[in-house]
Amino acid sequence: EVQLQQSGAELVRPGTSVKLSCKVSGDTITAYYMHFVKQRPGQGLEWIGRIDPEDDSTKYAEKFKNKATLTADTSSNTAYLKLSSLTSEDTATYFCTTGTMGPLFDYWGQGVMVTVSS
Amino acid sequence: DIQMTQSPASLSASLEEIVTITCKASQGIDDYLSWYQQKPGKSPQLLIYDATSLADGVPSRFSGSRSGTQYSLKISRPQVDDSGIYYCLQSYSTPYTFGAGTKLELK
Repeated sequence: EVQLQQSGAELVRPGTSVKLSCKVSGDTITAYYMHFVKQRPGQGLEWIGRIDPEDDSTKYAEKFKNKATLTADTSSNTAYLKLSSLTSEDTATYFCTTGTMGPLFDYWGQGVMVTVSS
Repeated sequence: DIQMTQSPASLSASLEEIVTITCKASQGIDDYLSWYQQKPGKSPQLLIYDATSLADGVPSRFSGSRSGTQYSLKISRPQVDDSGIYYCLQSYSTPYTFGAGTKLELK
C-alpha cells in the first residue's frame, strides 16, 4: 500500500522560503502524479499543483505560479514543495496527495503546518 | 477555471435522515468528480470517485449520483462517525478545483 510521509511543522519568517518534503513508500514515485493541496486554518481545500516525477513536468494553479515550486527526487522517492516570499497568507497546512487509480486523490500525507510569523 | 458550487455550507441531520450534499460544475466534467470527508486535524479521505464509484472500505450508506452538471453525495441513515466536512473535487481539467465544503453535524 502506498504511504505518503510529510516533513515536520515549520515556523518561518516573512519573506523567506521553505521546502516541504513528501516521501512515498509502497511504490515508485514515478508511477503517479504527485499533487499538493493547501488548507488555511478553518478554510477549505485549494489545489496548488502537481508534478509528474517521470519527466518533472509540472502544472500549477495560476495563483501559485510565483509562489510554489514542485520538484521530485526519484532516487529518494520524494516530492518537494518549495514556497517562496512567505507572508501570513501562506500560513496553512499543506498536504501531498496522489491518485493510484487516475485523477483522484486516494492517498494523502498527514499534512504539514507552516506558520509564517516574525 | 471550472467552478464547483457546493451546497449547503452546513447542515444538521438526525441519524434517521437521508443526507444529500450537492456540487454543481460550471461546465461539463465528464464525471471526473470525487467526494472526500475530512475530520478535524486529519487529512481528507476519499469516499466516492468517478461520480458514482464507492472507494475501498467506504460504507455502502454513501453513494454518488449525477444529474446534468450537478453531482450529489447521499448518506443514507448516517452514523455519528459521519460528522465532518465534505468536499467535492473536479479533476477533469487543471486547475483542479474543490467545492467550498459542507460541514455535517449529526444530532
